[in-house]
Amino acid sequence: DVKVTQSSRYLVKRTGEKVFLECVQDMDHENMFWYRQDPGLGLRLIYFSYDVKMKEKGDIPEGYSVSREKKERFSLILESASTNQTSMYLCASTNRGRSTDTQYFGPGTRLTVL
Amino acid sequence: QKEVEQNSGPLSVPEGAIASLNCTYSDRGSQSFFWYRQYSGKSPELIMFIYSNGDKEDGRFTAQLNKASQYVSLLIRDSQPSDSATYLCAVKWDSNYQLIWGAGTKLIIKP
Repeated sequence: DVKVTQSSRYLVKRTGEKVFLECVQDMDHENMFWYRQDPGLGLRLIYFSYDVKMKEKGDIPEGYSVSREKKERFSLILESASTNQTSMYLCASTNRGRSTDTQYFGPGTRLTVL
Repeated sequence: QKEVEQNSGPLSVPEGAIASLNCTYSDRGSQSFFWYRQYSGKSPELIMFIYSNGDKEDGRFTAQLNKASQYVSLLIRDSQPSDSATYLCAVKWDSNYQLIWGAGTKLIIKP
């Protein structure tokens, strides 16, 4: 079974704090993704990574950065948290190749920025 | 601009009936189509996917593609209360790692 884990289920931070969200997958997947999910807006891609140390911006990268030093781990960093970054953050991973494009999701981190 | 649209619902269906969910997409070059289910407070989980070459049936679930009208449907036969969830449609265009997601349709199965 594919397993994707995220460091926290719930997180409360203050405006201006630096926030780290971690994601780990145990299936040796090449691709990893960070999304945020807000009511009525669906899943929006923040960043994705297709290999160690490789990253590409998604649709809403502003205010975020990422790090992928090891294949199994993909971190999302909020350099200076703001209230409009209050959201559900979902990590996903997938293997390469057309037949295995399925994205497997972690349980999510609900972040509240006060 | 690649877009995927879904009616937000809620769609209310009696138990035992067929639930029909639709998703429209903007670009004819799309290659793969995915349906995910998301229970409240949980993360999305894959129900099924189809490629641009045909429909697919898996148990009570059937995914159908209408390329001419650019929409993909998910049919759920013999709907159960446990099928109550939000259903997310996602579309992939080859040569791109990304999935483009719809906002989801909330389905309620009434006992």
